[in-house]
Amino acid sequence: DGGITQSPKYLFRKEGQNVTLSCEQNLNHDAMYWYRQDPGQGLRLIYYSQIVNDFQKGDIAEGYSVSREKKESFPLTVTSAQKNPTAFYLCASSTTSGWSYEQYFGPGTRLTVT
Amino acid sequence: GENVEQHPSTLSVQEGDSAVIKCTYSDSASNYFPWYKQELGKRPQLIIDIRSNVGEKKDQRIAVTLNKTAKHFSLHITETQPEDSAVYFCAAYNSPMNRDDKIIFGKGTRLHILP
Repeated sequence: DGGITQSPKYLFRKEGQNVTLSCEQNLNHDAMYWYRQDPGQGLRLIYYSQIVNDFQKGDIAEGYSVSREKKESFPLTVTSAQKNPTAFYLCASSTTSGWSYEQYFGPGTRLTVT
Repeated sequence: GENVEQHPSTLSVQEGDSAVIKCTYSDSASNYFPWYKQELGKRPQLIIDIRSNVGEKKDQRIAVTLNKTAKHFSLHITETQPEDSAVYFCAAYNSPMNRDDKIIFGKGTRLHILP
């Protein structure tokens, strides 16, 4: 199924708790991305990483943190500082060379914070 | 900041007719313009993409046109079929990305194919 996985599919947390979403890929892609999808808002970039041990903020990075210790893994932590964390989160990966920079998306994690 | 406007937000067409979705972008450095299709409950998947040195690209029933001067690009689906019903997203960015580059997606178009 595209070689990129996210877990869990559904996640429930209490307000004030940090939560980490998993993203793993076996496509040997250098770049990985985290998006947030809300109804009517499209896909908004949270963080991206083009190489191990390096990452950049996207448009809505506040309240989130990431790490890229391994090429295959790019976990996202939703911290208690994120004001409205309930959303659908999508991870993606892509190459950084060649002609096409197609992003391969994971199946997503739906986070509900109450 | 950089922006991608996508229109319309919802589109209904009769099966067999054509559908056109339009996007405009603001960052003149953008050189890569992909279109993604997201079926209900599924992940987005690339359906076609175009680079800035090409004006048009076609793949069977789908085509993308790019007007770099006007900073707009469009997705054309001909002979629409029920399985074309989905949400379509455009995006524009500079690729390969530099450190401060961003990926900007449009807000999506929900396409309904009417029987």
